Amino acid sequence: EAGVVQSPRYKIIEKKQPVAFWCNPISGHNTLYWYLQNLGQGPELLIRYENEEAVDDSQLPKDRFSAERLKGVDSTLKIQPAELGDSAVYLCASSSAGAEQFFGPGTRLTVL
Amino acid sequence: QQQVKQSPQSLIVQKGGISIINCAYENTAFDYFPWYQQFPGKGPALLIAIRPDVSEKKEGRFTISFNKSAKQFSLHIMDSQPGDSATYFCAASTGFQKLVFGTGTRLLVSP
Repeated sequence: EAGVVQSPRYKIIEKKQPVAFWCNPISGHNTLYWYLQNLGQGPELLIRYENEEAVDDSQLPKDRFSAERLKGVDSTLKIQPAELGDSAVYLCASSSAGAEQFFGPGTRLTVL
Repeated sequence: QQQVKQSPQSLIVQKGGISIINCAYENTAFDYFPWYQQFPGKGPALLIAIRPDVSEKKEGRFTISFNKSAKQFSLHIMDSQPGDSATYFCAASTGFQKLVFGTGTRLLVSP
């Protein structure tokens, strides 16, 4: 079974530039999560999707972050404009209903 | 009340020894307590998990001990091996979905 796929794995941008991350969940998993992991910290949930619907986006900084999950499969997380403090690892995870979460390898973002 | 406190921050154990990592929580609504293992450059991977209706769960060399009254749970790694060197995160949630993670423990098992 293929795992959660994320791209790119690494991204370096200058502040104020836009950036987007892509996630392909495990086939058949209807729930998709985006997490932020700062260096030396545990992951923190940004947004959770059930199929196409964002059911929990309370921790997503909506002034600069946006996400979408068209057709209830792949998802994209965008930051515009990026700030220095956005440097972190962005993790995507997926699960089937009422089951454990499986994480992707993450995208390491560096904002200069 | 949503926090999960994890200790120690780092741990060095000799090969063959027992590694013990502790976590504490406040939210009594939490009913799912997983432990994740993360290697550098990788995402967290589920290691073992427990529900509050049991006090202990063992899978191979990994054991979770759970104390509901104290609102604490711990991970024990028996016969620790160099390949166990990684960062370990405890987490808690109501149901499986909104996981709240601890701050992580960096384990180094010396040969």
